[in-house]
Amino acid sequence: NAGVTQTPKFQVLKTGQSMTLQCAQDMNHEYMSWYRQDPGMGLRLIHYSVGAGITDQGEVPNGYNVSRSTTEDFPLRLLSAAPSQTSVYFCASSWTDNNSPLHFGNGTRLTVT
Amino acid sequence: GENVEQHPSTLSVQEGDSAVIKCTYSDSASNYFPWYKQELGKRPQLIIDIRSNVGEKKDQRIAVTLNKTAKHFSLHITETQPEDSAVYFCAAREYNTDKLIFGTGTRLQVFP
Repeated sequence: NAGVTQTPKFQVLKTGQSMTLQCAQDMNHEYMSWYRQDPGMGLRLIHYSVGAGITDQGEVPNGYNVSRSTTEDFPLRLLSAAPSQTSVYFCASSWTDNNSPLHFGNGTRLTVT
Repeated sequence: GENVEQHPSTLSVQEGDSAVIKCTYSDSASNYFPWYKQELGKRPQLIIDIRSNVGEKKDQRIAVTLNKTAKHFSLHITETQPEDSAVYFCAAREYNTDKLIFGTGTRLQVFP
């Protein structure tokens, strides 16, 4: 049981480049989400999904796309990277009952130059 | 939508003293309130959580209290130790969306 797996761990992009951050979980969790973490800003929700085929926006969705074609995978796409997207990105998953804790991946540190 | 405010942003205590971190939330329908600890360079890890039908929960040196009327909840750490030094986040789960909204974090430093 690997839990929540994120790849890559580190990434450097040039402004305007695109990339996909991968997230996979093997706990059969319905709920998956992406957060970004910036100093002094806490964890801000980018996008989330309550099941395959269903996605919705969080607090800071602009500049990011997501899809949920399977229960296990929830990739985050940056279509045209900007320096403001330099951050640490965490994927997290849980059951959808209201008592279920969120399980985090190890994070991806992204730098956009 | 839900909004969570957390105070203080930094907290320094002497080893053995108690530490208290406070959070307020805006959506009265929110019903699940976890606390996460994040050590430097690591992912957030759940340390304790409380449901809205409970006023207090304890786990060894850690306790959480919830006041639904005032819409605030607090983390209490007693007999602090240097290994308690970390960033702590509170969060609230929106009832109708399952979204977990976090506070901005508290950096706790415990000095020996």
